[in-house]
Amino acid sequence: GAVVSQHPSWVICKSGTSVKIECRSLDFQATTMFWYRQFPKQSLMLMATSNEGSKATYEQGVEKDKFLINHASLTLSTLTVTSAHPEDSSFYICSARGSHNEKLFFGSGTQLSVL
Amino acid sequence: EDKVVQSPLSLVVHEGDTVTLNCSYEVTNFRSLLWYKQEKKAPTFLFMLTSSGIEKKSGRLSSILDKKELFSILNITATQTGDSAVYLCAVVKTSYDKVIFGPGTSLSVIP
Repeated sequence: GAVVSQHPSWVICKSGTSVKIECRSLDFQATTMFWYRQFPKQSLMLMATSNEGSKATYEQGVEKDKFLINHASLTLSTLTVTSAHPEDSSFYICSARGSHNEKLFFGSGTQLSVL
Repeated sequence: EDKVVQSPLSLVVHEGDTVTLNCSYEVTNFRSLLWYKQEKKAPTFLFMLTSSGIEKKSGRLSSILDKKELFSILNITATQTGDSAVYLCAVVKTSYDKVIFGPGTSLSVIP
């Protein structure tokens, strides 16, 4: 299957700092990337959908100014958690798919801990 | 509102047992249904189902979709401890712009 690389795998930061998470499709062009958040023992909660070259579409309740998403190329999308607070601590995972392809390929996720 | 429901939410079985996981959905503009297995980190793809009544099979796992009754099942026969994971069901809409996940079924297989 296709490979999606997500970096970093885990990050610990102080409250008030910003954290950037990268998601790269290594062997295909990802026209659409999705960002999810997952709390322990819960399912994936879609945060936003990003299409290359356009603004991300955020789900209801997700602050777009807090969770900045950039999808500048067909192989890279970034999620920046701005002014992180302890309640932002969570597992963030990206997924990507090519044009008109239902299958999603997932990154390995990023565990964010905000102190 | 689009919805994907899975049952049971958790399940504990003994090695060798057969399990059936359920996924039902209420989604406008349905295109396909996906099953994923999530152990510690990234979900791994199992099946994609688009047509009713056609069973997909991979080893001890199989899945089928019923588009009339709006559900899918995932069967695992002769379970092993390595099958312990969360199994996620997701529905893709025809516009491709959204994939909706169910809450998952947490399966624990004990020796």
